[in-house]
Amino acid sequence: DSGVTQTPKHLITATGQRVTLRCSPRSGDLSVYWYQQSLDQGLQFLIQYYNGEERAKGNILERFSAQQFPDLHSELNLSSLELGDSALYFCASSPSGGAYNSPLHFGNGTRLTVT
Amino acid sequence: AQKVTQAQTEISVVEKEDVTLDCVYETRDTTYYLFWYKQPPSGELVFLIRRNSFDEQNEISGRYSWNFQKSTSSFNFTITASQVVDSAVYFCALSEAASNSGYALNFGKGTSLLVTP
Repeated sequence: DSGVTQTPKHLITATGQRVTLRCSPRSGDLSVYWYQQSLDQGLQFLIQYYNGEERAKGNILERFSAQQFPDLHSELNLSSLELGDSALYFCASSPSGGAYNSPLHFGNGTRLTVT
Repeated sequence: AQKVTQAQTEISVVEKEDVTLDCVYETRDTTYYLFWYKQPPSGELVFLIRRNSFDEQNEISGRYSWNFQKSTSSFNFTITASQVVDSAVYFCALSEAASNSGYALNFGKGTSLLVTP
């Protein structure tokens, strides 16, 4: 068990809808990362938050947004969903601002299916 | 451009065989970090190892060993005496100090390893 909790495990929704994925980092970790895993794109970095502030952005679509709350949990909001957004979404956490002094520990992921 | 290349998409071996998973990376940084993660069929991503660019010592952990060679920009992973439970997708990843994506991990496409009895 990595200590990173993601909810829900599975999500099925229709095109055009909006969903929210939730992540609780390991106790003491200040950074949260979101990744998208799909068959064609592999594991893609979306966005990172560190202690409540956006720290780095990757290949995140404008329809997607995220935030990190004072208790350090994070939410990833996906709107105007398209079929191509179907993927496994991972959250990871680390104690510091990056992987330079600690690995990222990943949650079990949220499987999103857009129909 | 792909910064981490795992040329082997799928590998199939028979139990007890040794297997090496290749990883080649690309970076202009002098400070960077390399990782291996395992993704078993259950789907979670499990951290295996982290190396920094200043430490080229090879590492052994049980049946697992890693060979880091800066001269060839490679960080290969060997499983000795493979077991069925080693069946998984293995990802190599790079974290760069100067990247505009912070220290986020840049993953390769993964190598799917199947170990049969």
